[in-house]
Amino acid sequence: AQSVTQLDSQVPVFEEAPVELRCNYSSSVSVYLFWYVQYPNQGLQLLLKYLSGSTLVKGINGFEAEFNKSQTSFHLRKPSVHISDTAEYFCAVSGSWGYQKVTFGTGTKLQVIP
Amino acid sequence: EAGVAQSPRYKIIEKRQSVAFWCNPISGHATLYWYQQILGQGPKLLIQFQNNGVVDDSQLPKDRFSAERLKGVDSTLKIQPAKLEDSAVYLCASSLGPGGGAGYTFGSGTRLTVV
Repeated sequence: AQSVTQLDSQVPVFEEAPVELRCNYSSSVSVYLFWYVQYPNQGLQLLLKYLSGSTLVKGINGFEAEFNKSQTSFHLRKPSVHISDTAEYFCAVSGSWGYQKVTFGTGTKLQVIP
Repeated sequence: EAGVAQSPRYKIIEKRQSVAFWCNPISGHATLYWYQQILGQGPKLLIQFQNNGVVDDSQLPKDRFSAERLKGVDSTLKIQPAKLEDSAVYLCASSLGPGGGAGYTFGSGTRLTVV
């Protein structure tokens, strides 16, 4: 079974500052990794995913994440945040074959301060 | 392309009552998922369908929860009887194929409050 740990429940950051949201995963098999964003009263939207290949993955809204197998991490970064980035961000993992369910972390609330 | 449709958006019921949620996935998506998201937690998979067959329902409380996906398209999730701890957002998602690689598309969810 796979699991993810999101190390920060809340991250406040000033507008136009950089941000990193941390995610560590645990798995005995090869994995797919994801970041989803959830705006208030909405469902989850896929930001980016790592399936294979380049360890640096670029997503929507200027976000990127780096897969680090040795550290079992998949941290999400953005060089300059906007007020509109205020939301909850979920890291998720699944096994890379067959009917593998996606397991979500507990989420990190990003609060962008004007 | 139309998204994943869910209804109702909100529901308030008393404990021990029954409730049903409906989901219409993206056309052509063979895999459908129901997740439960309790306030302050990440979504937890309740059940996964591949077409109209169940792939994983290991975390579905089968004494009170049931789900079906007739004809491999729409799906209904039912709770009977509801408990206070069932208060949560119920999210439906669909994907082209099984597993996470295809990426999920989520609906807006149904917020259930049990009083």
